[in-house]
Amino acid sequence: AQKITQTQPGMFVQEKEAVTLDCTYDTSDQSYGLFWYKQPSSGEMIFLIYQGSYDEQNATEGRYSLNFQKARKSANLVISASQLGDSAMYFCAMREGNDYKLSFGAGTTVTVRA
Amino acid sequence: KAGVTQTPRYLIKTRGQQVTLSCSPISGHRSVSWYQQTPGQGLQFLFEYFSETQRNKGNFPGRFSGRQFSNSRSEMNVSTLELGDSALYLCASSGRTDQETQYFGPGTRLLVL
Repeated sequence: AQKITQTQPGMFVQEKEAVTLDCTYDTSDQSYGLFWYKQPSSGEMIFLIYQGSYDEQNATEGRYSLNFQKARKSANLVISASQLGDSAMYFCAMREGNDYKLSFGAGTTVTVRA
Repeated sequence: KAGVTQTPRYLIKTRGQQVTLSCSPISGHRSVSWYQQTPGQGLQFLFEYFSETQRNKGNFPGRFSGRQFSNSRSEMNVSTLELGDSALYLCASSGRTDQETQYFGPGTRLLVL
């Protein structure tokens, strides 16, 4: 079964607007971590934000915030005030329990229009 | 702090050859993980090393191997290359605790002809 599901293959957003990228996950572990990464066309994976399963507050990092709904098993990324440089592929990932590997979703391509 | 570095950045090989990719983690990081990214399969975990020991391995054939040195630098080797091994190979490093974030390098793009 797919551990991470990202249902939006691609999205267009107007500059300065907010965009929400969907991510749902599947795990039976009580302890897990959720991550979002950005991958520009250059290929490097850039860490954006982290949410632990026991964190009660939603994580925020600058213009990035994570809308964590544990009961729904969703961890949506919100990018506020989009910039042209935000155009990239965005990946949701999960690490479960004491496992050391990340499981990634298929990614969402975001294109910011001027 | 310098980030994760990977060499070479680009590589072209032919079927049947072998290749070695190198990864230098962020200073102080002792865990190094490798991932393969292809358009068809997405991002898949290859293996993870900590203090020169492989702690976890993904579902890849034995042609894929790796090692870690005492300075935490890691190499991965692919023998008897196949066309399907063409991919972006990403290396990531993380700190001591299991919950710390994995920081990725720029990747090595391998093309097998």
